[in-house]
Amino acid sequence: AQSVTQLDSQVPVFEEAPVELRCNYSSSVSVYLFWYVQYPNQGLQLLLKYLSGSTLVKGINGFEAEFNKSQTSFHLRKPSVHISDTAEYFCAVSELGNEKLTFGTGTRLTIIP
Amino acid sequence: DAGVIQSPRHEVTEMGQEVTLRCKPISGHDYLFWYRQTMMRGLELLIYFNNNVPIDDSGMPEDRFSAKMPNASFSTLKIQPSEPRDSAVYFCASSSPIRYEQYFGPGTRLTVT
Repeated sequence: AQSVTQLDSQVPVFEEAPVELRCNYSSSVSVYLFWYVQYPNQGLQLLLKYLSGSTLVKGINGFEAEFNKSQTSFHLRKPSVHISDTAEYFCAVSELGNEKLTFGTGTRLTIIP
Repeated sequence: DAGVIQSPRHEVTEMGQEVTLRCKPISGHDYLFWYRQTMMRGLELLIYFNNNVPIDDSGMPEDRFSAKMPNASFSTLKIQPSEPRDSAVYFCASSSPIRYEQYFGPGTRLTVT
């Protein structure tokens, strides 16, 4: 079985500042990794995914994440945040070839004007 | 594409009543997932289907919960009888194989009084 740990439940960041949201996972097998975003009163939306290949993955809205196998991490970054990035961000993992996702507890990103 | 459609968007019911939540997945997607989101427990996978067949229902909390997928374009999640602790936002998501991208509906906010 796999698990996901999001170390920060809340992250406040000033507008136009960089941000990193941390995610660590645990699994006995190879995994796929995902970041989803949830805006208030909406469903989740896929930001980016790592399946294979380059460990640096670029997603929508200027976000990117880097897969680090040795540290079992998949941190999400954005060089300059905007007010519209205010949302909850979920890291998720699945076993290779398995559609079932295990989600972390989420990180609430608040942008300070 | 209309995306994943869920109905109703809000449901308020009294303890002991039967509740039925509905989901229409994206056309062509052959995986369908039911999730529950609460502040206390976060996002939990309840059950998922592949080609209308339930694959994993280990997340269904108890026998009061049941889910069906009679055809590729419709699924229901039923709670009978409902209890106040069932109050949550219930999401339906669908995906197509290989792409590993789940598309979430807007959710149904259930309140059981």
